[in-house]
Amino acid sequence: SAVISQKPSRDICQRGTSLTIQCQVDSQVTMMFWYRQQPGQSLTLIATANQGSEATYESGFVIDKFPISRPNLTFSTLTVSNMSPEDSSIYLCSVQRDRGTNYGYTFGSGTRLTVV
Amino acid sequence: DAKTTQPPSMDCAEGRAANLPCNHSTISGNEYVYWYRQIHSQGPQYIIHGLKNNETNEMASLIITEDRKSSTLILPHATLRDTAVYYCIVRKGGGSNYKLTFGKGTLLTVNP
Repeated sequence: SAVISQKPSRDICQRGTSLTIQCQVDSQVTMMFWYRQQPGQSLTLIATANQGSEATYESGFVIDKFPISRPNLTFSTLTVSNMSPEDSSIYLCSVQRDRGTNYGYTFGSGTRLTVV
Repeated sequence: DAKTTQPPSMDCAEGRAANLPCNHSTISGNEYVYWYRQIHSQGPQYIIHGLKNNETNEMASLIITEDRKSSTLILPHATLRDTAVYYCIVRKGGGSNYKLTFGKGTLLTVNP
């Protein structure tokens, strides 16, 4: 199954600044998914990133706040822009596992963001 | 995708079977039942999935009722490392890139 490397693993940032999170996959995948997990909460999908086209954002998330790049089939970035303390969360990327007997998804280990 | 209902928390003794229920009464014919778990501070981990037949792998068993309106994830011999939040998710299958929608899940605590 796909192996995901996510960077940074954690960061503490000043409000008003931006942070770019990287997600590298060891095999080519069609779509990559970005999730947010606020403290004590479940995962919420931010957007779906398809190579060669603009990302598709879920309700409540906008491109100006969470711009996403998908330059090739193994890499994506999520930027959290103009951060506020409310953006303190874990951000995770996910891809579909290898096709085979299942179609589950693999997740990165996440980026723990604290905004002060 | 169909919504799911899970108990917020459960306890299990180490070495015993853990049976985690999930209700998905509005599931449609082309939707699969997936189970994931999230151990503290880690990304979610795929456990198992099924359509209508019971499934078993090296991690767990999945029992789906005949009407498909509910299912049970079984960890046959729970260990302390199985303490995690378990998510039951219903989504379309077929290998397409359908997104996962996470509910609140069940916090399973395995006690020594």
